[in-house]
Amino acid sequence: DIHLTQSPSFLSASVGDRVSITCRASQGINTYLAWYQQRPGKAPNLLIFGASTLQRGVPSRFSGSGSGTEFTLTISSLQPEDFATYYCQQLNSFPPTFGGGTKVEIK
Amino acid sequence: QVHLQQWGAGLLKPSETLSLTCTVSGGSLREFYWSWIRQPPGKGLEWIGEINPNGSVNYKRTLRSRVTISLDTSKNQFSLKLSSVTAADTSTYYCARRAVDYFDYWGQGILVTVAS
Repeated sequence: DIHLTQSPSFLSASVGDRVSITCRASQGINTYLAWYQQRPGKAPNLLIFGASTLQRGVPSRFSGSGSGTEFTLTISSLQPEDFATYYCQQLNSFPPTFGGGTKVEIK
Repeated sequence: QVHLQQWGAGLLKPSETLSLTCTVSGGSLREFYWSWIRQPPGKGLEWIGEINPNGSVNYKRTLRSRVTISLDTSKNQFSLKLSSVTAADTSTYYCARRAVDYFDYWGQGILVTVAS
């Protein structure tokens, strides 16, 4: 199975900050990578697929980049509703796997 | 707008069978792939398995001996059964639609607790 490692696991930031989260794959996955946001008690919500394509309805302050084994999710200006946990997920090969998550908290 | 609504028993005893169902509205089961994903309390996400419109299934290797996913296109529902549960199966279980290589619609989640 392909292993995804997210860093950092925990991030403390302020409203308005620019934040980046990294996801590294144990082997190359082209651009078959998605990012999700999960608020407490809620299901994950798709933000980005294909490493960089924004899901419709997702604010443009979210962006994704990368290919192969290293990927980044960037939030250009953190808003109060962005404090949540973020997960990456790959499906270059079965089974689909998820990263361990990055919790973004208010500083 | 596609909506997934799931239900099932939330409290089981060890050795019992977990049974959950997900009803899809606003879309057809005859397209896409339909998955089950779980999340232990305070932990990350784990894909359990999926079924395609033809009824073909894929399961996570370590759960394969205990998992059954089935489809009822007449009711636009798909279901999960997980046998011989233990405390390690305590999780929030989600149904989700897989579009190519990502999950774009999710159910609301059900916390299933296994305790004696």
